[in-house]
Amino acid sequence: GESVGLHLPTLSVQEGDNSIINCAYSNSASDYFIWYKQESGKGPQFIIDIRSNMDKRQGQRVTVLLNKTVKHLSLQIAATQPGDSAVYFCAENKGKAAGNKLTFGGGTRVLVKP
Amino acid sequence: DAGVTQSPTHLIKTRGQQVTLRCSPKSGHDTVSWYQQALGQGPQFIFQYYEEEERQRGNFPDRFSGHQFPNYSSELNVNALLLGDSALYLCASYGTGGTDTQYFGPGTRLTVL
Repeated sequence: GESVGLHLPTLSVQEGDNSIINCAYSNSASDYFIWYKQESGKGPQFIIDIRSNMDKRQGQRVTVLLNKTVKHLSLQIAATQPGDSAVYFCAENKGKAAGNKLTFGGGTRVLVKP
Repeated sequence: DAGVTQSPTHLIKTRGQQVTLRCSPKSGHDTVSWYQQALGQGPQFIFQYYEEEERQRGNFPDRFSGHQFPNYSSELNVNALLLGDSALYLCASYGTGGTDTQYFGPGTRLTVL
């Protein structure tokens, strides 16, 4: 079957350090992958996405890496700030033919220590 | 530019009742998807509406139904509520003529007693 899963349920990081959140997927027939951030009481917020034909993409303080050989995805947050405390989800999008349906993993909670 | 909005914010129902949740997509978006998020889990796809028709459906029973209006807003209806239907219901939208990035609303927290 298909699945998008995360290695660690909780990540505790010191303010100012870099954070790395990992995600494994089992279905290769995906169009692209997306990272969402969800703060308590709010809906998921788009962070960054990466097409399946790319290996790396950078945004503001974030970098997503895609390793298709081992079916692994990671989100790196540079200089983690207290406002980065949230649950992070990776999601898989199989593209327009599948109606851009998103399949989510279980999430990783990031706690930023002052 | 208004983002995705949902109403109500919170809702409490009892088993067997019916509920209707509402969603207005982000300006310029024509496609609306609904997701159910149980506590401590990732969102699960319920269904998607485009051009006022259900285009894709996830693994949810027929008790879950929806509708999309000409202005692209959407409703999610759940009949014969069960305790297990308690969850955060999220609406996401995107525009078929633009990028495929889906933006989520704040959700409706449904509690079934």
